[in-house]
Amino acid sequence: GENVEQHPSTLSVQEGDSAVIKCTYSDSASNYFPWYKQELGKGPQLIIDIRSNVGEKKDQRIAVTLNKTAKHFSLHITETQPEDSAVYFCAASSGSARQLTFGSGTQLTVLP
Amino acid sequence: NAGVTQTPKFRILKIGQSMTLQCAQDMNHNYMYWYRQDPGMGLKLIYYSVGAGITDKGEVPNGYNVSRSTTEDFPLRLELAAPSQTSVYFCASSSGLFAEAFFGQGTRLTVV
Repeated sequence: GENVEQHPSTLSVQEGDSAVIKCTYSDSASNYFPWYKQELGKGPQLIIDIRSNVGEKKDQRIAVTLNKTAKHFSLHITETQPEDSAVYFCAASSGSARQLTFGSGTQLTVLP
Repeated sequence: NAGVTQTPKFRILKIGQSMTLQCAQDMNHNYMYWYRQDPGMGLKLIYYSVGAGITDKGEVPNGYNVSRSTTEDFPLRLELAAPSQTSVYFCASSSGLFAEAFFGQGTRLTVV
């Protein structure tokens, strides 16, 4: 089955700096890559996703890049703010698997 | 909008007891999922369903059972609780394979 590895497990940045979280996946058939943000005591919430026919996608301060050849994808957050502090999860899915496989998560702390 | 509703929010079980975690969604989603989240770990898929009457095992199904008699409800049953089942359980639903998964608030279960 699919295996998703996520790095780093913790990340601290100064407010206003950029943050980058990286994930690799094992199943070359995977073609959908969402990112979820989980705030303390809440369920994960989708922040951005990308399909395999696209190399990059942006939504305001958030961007995701995908390298299918190398089987890795990354989340980029620019101009970080304290409210960006949360746990971020990457995930991968293929149509045949009919399920999402999640990475182990990154605790992002934005220092004021 | 209620979205995905999980009950209870917290529960303490004794070893060997049974319980059912309830999950209901009001978005008419065909896909529903149960995940468990252990401290510092990602989300592990327990069971999923692609429609009423259809369920399938995920990555960690042992010790659990599910049913899907209606589109709205997807209960998770623990028959003989064990300390290894101490975790936070999340239910989620989505409209399709490559669509956003909406998560409930979670159920924190402790088995003592």
